[in-house]
Amino acid sequence: QQQVKQSPQSLIVQKGGISIINCAYENTAFDYFPWYQQFPGKGPALLIAIRPDVSEKKEGRFTISFNKSAKQFSLHIMDSQPGDSATYFCAASSYSGAGSYQLTFGKGTKLSVIP
Amino acid sequence: ETGVTQTPRHLVMGMTNKKSLKCEQHLGHNAMYWYKQSAKKPLELMFVYSLEERVENNSVPSRFSPECPNSSHLFLHLHTLQPEDSALYLCASSQDVGGGGELFFGEGSRLTVL
Repeated sequence: QQQVKQSPQSLIVQKGGISIINCAYENTAFDYFPWYQQFPGKGPALLIAIRPDVSEKKEGRFTISFNKSAKQFSLHIMDSQPGDSATYFCAASSYSGAGSYQLTFGKGTKLSVIP
Repeated sequence: ETGVTQTPRHLVMGMTNKKSLKCEQHLGHNAMYWYKQSAKKPLELMFVYSLEERVENNSVPSRFSPECPNSSHLFLHLHTLQPEDSALYLCASSQDVGGGGELFFGEGSRLTVL
């Protein structure tokens, strides 16, 4: 099963609040879990990523929490700002050889941070 | 130029036209990808090229034809498309093993099929 399930589909958060986006996967062969951020008219860009040997990774206001046994991971955005308004995609990746990776994406979460 | 550049950014074509999308990466990566992005659907992997050889073809209709003449350039040739093919087509590249799975995306080509 290659699917990655992402929720919620959309999220509205007040400025300064915490945004939380959740993802779940089935395939235990996945070994890399990135989050991508996409602004309108732009391609997705890597925001933060984690490997399954750690349970949490923090970069500035962005934190990934990873639960290997539950096969779930989540993105937390602390002190959310209007500039964080974008669509966020979780993904799960496995190496498929010859320098290429098979990335399976969630459907995305549209985050709106209101002043 | 830096990163991954895609041209054209917007394309409108009829169902009988033939057009091509172009992607160029300036990152020295070994693998290049075509993804299709439609509203409310996950990004769909279409094709993967590694060291100029196609390594993945995810049951994409033959009206889409990829070409990778070298490790820096990737094309998607389009012919006799259907209206449901209207979408944002994203090109991406990745480094080899040291890249850890990070894809670098271009800004996409917005395709409208009339």
